[in-house]
Amino acid sequence: AQSVTQLGSHVSVSEGALVLLRCNYSSSVPPYLFWYVQYPNQGLQLLLKYTSAATLVKGINGFEAEFKKSETSFHLTKPSAHMSDAAEYFCAVSHSGGYNKLIFGAGTRLAVHP
Amino acid sequence: NAGVTQTPKFQVLKTGQSMTLQCAQDMNHNSMYWYRQDPGMGLRLIYYSASEGTTDKGEVPNGYNVSRLNKREFSLRLESAAPSQTSVYFCASSLSEINNSPLHFGNGTRLTVT
Repeated sequence: AQSVTQLGSHVSVSEGALVLLRCNYSSSVPPYLFWYVQYPNQGLQLLLKYTSAATLVKGINGFEAEFKKSETSFHLTKPSAHMSDAAEYFCAVSHSGGYNKLIFGAGTRLAVHP
Repeated sequence: NAGVTQTPKFQVLKTGQSMTLQCAQDMNHNSMYWYRQDPGMGLRLIYYSASEGTTDKGEVPNGYNVSRLNKREFSLRLESAAPSQTSVYFCASSLSEINNSPLHFGNGTRLTVT
């Protein structure tokens, strides 16, 4: 069975600091991996996805993530946090069986303070 | 371009009451999904519809039914609401059911069952 673990339910950074949100996955087959962002009172939006092309994936709003098979990780980073990055972030892995049934992590709430 | 539209935005039910959550998408997507979001648990798939005319159970289908009315619309019905169904419900759609097709989410329905 596939699963996703997000380390840290809350992360707080200063504006301009590095953002690092951690995601580890479990999968018996090569996974597809995703990061989604949720702003207050909204649905989720896709930030980026890994689909076995390049291991370093660039997404929207300056975010990127690196797929590391040896570590079964897909951590999300941004070099310099902005106040507008405050949101909840979800890592997800595609469900085995080839269908688009995503398994989501529990989420990490990012706070950005001045 | 509205994307994925969910109605209602908020609903309060008494235990045992029934209701239907409505979802419509205008992106000509083939696949549609219903998720529930609970604190600390991320999103869990309730039901999905890979294409018009088909539906299938997800991770937590008990207590729910769905109808794929046409390509645009996918409704979720609670026949006899229970307090354990208090949650935020999200409808999503994707162009196809293959497992790297991004999901587009609605803004959610916040349901409280007393």
